[in-house]
Amino acid sequence: DQQVKQNSPSLSVQEGRISILNCDYTNSMFDYFLWYKKYPAEGPTFLISISSIKDKNEDGRFTVFLNKSAKHLSLHIVPSQPGDSAVYFCAASGINSGNTPLVFGKGTRLSVIA
Amino acid sequence: ETGVTQTPRHLVMGMTNKKSLKCEQHLGHNAMYWYKQSAKKPLELMFVYNFKEQTENNSVPSRFSPECPNSSHLFLHLHTLQPEDSALYLCASSLGLSTDIQYFGAGTRLSVL
Repeated sequence: DQQVKQNSPSLSVQEGRISILNCDYTNSMFDYFLWYKKYPAEGPTFLISISSIKDKNEDGRFTVFLNKSAKHLSLHIVPSQPGDSAVYFCAASGINSGNTPLVFGKGTRLSVIA
Repeated sequence: ETGVTQTPRHLVMGMTNKKSLKCEQHLGHNAMYWYKQSAKKPLELMFVYNFKEQTENNSVPSRFSPECPNSSHLFLHLHTLQPEDSALYLCASSLGLSTDIQYFGAGTRLSVL
């Protein structure tokens, strides 16, 4: 059973508009969440993270929102740029459940159209 | 360049071959990981090493054999693989486990014929 779910395999957005990528999790022990970005022929690279003590974390054009009661997080990219076209992975781990490695979702392919 | 280097980038092998994947990091990290990425599946964690000791083996078949001679190097020895083992194999490292950001290599694209 998938503990981290990204239900949209793909998303297309017009350049300059907002991209919203969603992620749901089932394990209530997760308390640290990350987003990774992956270009073809490269490994995933870290983008932004959020701890469960916060509900929002912002870094430039990227903002991650966490709704603990709904076990849902989202990544907002605004304004979207063609260079943002990539696969985005959501990942989660539990600090208080011991040294548990990250659990990844399947990823969402974002295409930003010029 | 993330500081994690994987070789080879591409590998084609027969089911009776023996080959090894190599991963090297120069980030001073203590934890290293092997992941498998198959089409339309999440990244699957295979093995975790922390301070050269294996801490996770996610029910990986014995035809995959990891080796971590030191904190900077990680190998994945392959023998008698099956065609369904064809995938992208990613190595990652982090300073510690759990909340520490993992840095990934570019991966080895493996095809088993």
